[in-house]
Amino acid sequence: QVQLVQSGAEVKKPGSSVKVSCKASGGTFSSYTISWVRQAPGQGLEWMGRIIPILGIANYAQKFQGRVTITADKSTSTAYMELSSLRSEDTAVYYCARDEYSSGWSYWYFDLWGRGTLVTVSS
Amino acid sequence: QSALTQPRSVSGSPGQSVTISCTGTSSDVGGYNYVSWYQQHPGKAPKLMIYDVSKRPSGVPDRFSGSKSGNTASLTISGLQAEDEADYYCCSYAGSYTLYVFGTGTKVTVL
Repeated sequence: QVQLVQSGAEVKKPGSSVKVSCKASGGTFSSYTISWVRQAPGQGLEWMGRIIPILGIANYAQKFQGRVTITADKSTSTAYMELSSLRSEDTAVYYCARDEYSSGWSYWYFDLWGRGTLVTVSS
Repeated sequence: QSALTQPRSVSGSPGQSVTISCTGTSSDVGGYNYVSWYQQHPGKAPKLMIYDVSKRPSGVPDRFSGSKSGNTASLTISGLQAEDEADYYCCSYAGSYTLYVFGTGTKVTVL
């Protein structure tokens, strides 16, 4: 059974960067896109961006353009999300989530989620 | 792109039905049949409950149902059970530039 296994919690200083990983354990990315969704404490879900691993193409939410970079390593079925210029408002749980992708089109729903990675930004 | 609008909370007694609305625009909810719903228990990852407006993934009880009218999608939980107490989020495809937009979230309380 495929699982999305995320890296562990991080504590970062304001102004620094964080890189979170998401590995498809027991499967591959070949027919999926991987999105990153974050949730600040007590707040709702917020889509940040996604990557289509077989194409290496990434799309980003306007809010995060220029500050987030999403990449994928097909050989290890691992996706990465790097967020730079961290500020306290970036303290959140970051989830990766899978969306099926076929014939150049996404299915537009997330059928599998990682358990989340807590990123704390504090001086 | 603004978040889709959901009521902050809804509640019902065991066995009753509750409906959660998710209001967007013609650029997201109203423009496509790609609305999905997620259930999230405290400290857990979201779980897919409904996709493509009204389809249920395997393993999701049939007391969860989805619908859409115009720019508003709805999730109905019939025969409410204690384990249904959770936060629920809608999500919609929002076009080739924005891609995905989530709702503000609704807390369902079982009285």
